[in-house]
Amino acid sequence: DVQLVQSAAEVKKPGESLKISCETSGYTFIYYYIAWVRQMPGKGLEWVGILYPGDSHVRYSPTFQGRITISADKSTNTAHLQWSSLEASDTAIYYCARPYGSGDFSLHYWGQGTRVTVSS
Amino acid sequence: QSALTQPASVSGSPGQSITISCTGTSSDIGGFNYVSWYQQHPGKAPKLMIHDVSNRPSGVSNRFSGSKSGNTASLSISGLQTDDEADYYCSSYTSTSTLWVFGGGTRLTVL
Repeated sequence: DVQLVQSAAEVKKPGESLKISCETSGYTFIYYYIAWVRQMPGKGLEWVGILYPGDSHVRYSPTFQGRITISADKSTNTAHLQWSSLEASDTAIYYCARPYGSGDFSLHYWGQGTRVTVSS
Repeated sequence: QSALTQPASVSGSPGQSITISCTGTSSDIGGFNYVSWYQQHPGKAPKLMIHDVSNRPSGVSNRFSGSKSGNTASLSISGLQTDDEADYYCSSYTSTSTLWVFGGGTRLTVL
């Protein structure tokens, strides 16, 4: 079965760095892109970026470009989302997700979400 | 402000039918057949209900259907059940630099 298991919730202070993960199993990691989606408290879904693990190509939403880094570790079939300097406005739940087919534009499989809280 | 416009809330009684609209532009909904709909219950991850405008993934009830006309997509739910009460989000591929856009979400209340 396809599974996306995300790392545990994090509580950080403004200015700190953070790297969260999305460990995948049940399929060939490099064949399907991974998308990251943000959900701020009480708000809707926002696309953060897409990672193509095969060649590690990443496309970022303009909203997040320059603020976050998405990467892949093919040795562990894991995708990562990281910040070098967190801000309070980064407080949100972050989901990783995968399409059913490699060329699909819809997200069929979802991780359980990682809650990130940034507070002084 | 979200790129796609959805009503903030809709409601219906058990057994009734409802429709949720999602309005975009010719750069997204109107230009491509890549509209998806997601259901999200409180505290849970989103679940794909409709993809490519009108296709249901395996396991999704046929009470859910999708359609599109011009720049507006719609999700219809027939025979409302209490478990349908959730937030629903539309999404579309876009030819702009954003690549992908979501609607602001619609809260469905089953009275």
